[in-house]
Amino acid sequence: KAGVTQTPRYLIKTRGQQVTLSCSPISGHRSVSWYQQTPGQGLQFLFEYFSETQRNKGNFPGRFSGRQFSNSRSEMNVSTLELGDSALYLCASSLPQKGGSYEQYFGPGTRLTVT
Amino acid sequence: AQSVTQPDIHITVSEGASLELRCNYSYGATPYLFWYVQSPGQGLQLLLKYFSGDTLVQGIKGFEAEFKRSQSSFNLRKPSVHWSDAAEYFCAVLAGGTSYGKLTFGQGTILTVHP
Repeated sequence: KAGVTQTPRYLIKTRGQQVTLSCSPISGHRSVSWYQQTPGQGLQFLFEYFSETQRNKGNFPGRFSGRQFSNSRSEMNVSTLELGDSALYLCASSLPQKGGSYEQYFGPGTRLTVT
Repeated sequence: AQSVTQPDIHITVSEGASLELRCNYSYGATPYLFWYVQSPGQGLQLLLKYFSGDTLVQGIKGFEAEFKRSQSSFNLRKPSVHWSDAAEYFCAVLAGGTSYGKLTFGQGTILTVHP
């Protein structure tokens, strides 16, 4: 089974621009979570989508948004980029099942650099 | 709110030596617990998970972890470390209820392996 894929793998943007990152989950997985990883703050949860609905959101400003499509693929968007948005953005998918099987499988990440 | 503490930022061991990475969590009920490993520039790979049942869980690459409710700990162990185990290790907790898809991570432990 193919793993979680993320595109693009690397991005360089300028302050004030916006960016869209894409995530394709493992086939059959319906939950997609997004995380930001930085040296200073570590791994922080951005949001989670299930069946095209955002069910959970972390403590990030409204510039960070996401969506999920009917095929479970997900995108996240960051508007008005700031230098502090430079990070590795990780997507994870899972097949949430009542009573177990909540593990998340991660993609390779998108490295975003804001200059 | 749940939290995860990994007391050791950096651990150095010799190849062939045993390894124990510490993880303490804070959560009111029995959480779902995970260990992930990350190589430089890569995503996170799931090593093992604990949901319920046997408190000693086996994972991939010869790793195991023991859940101790009385100590709120979930330490990762390996009897004999290989040079390829050098990486960063993250302990994570998934709370129940409405914390959909939100993993809370520790700050990570960097493992260096000396030949």
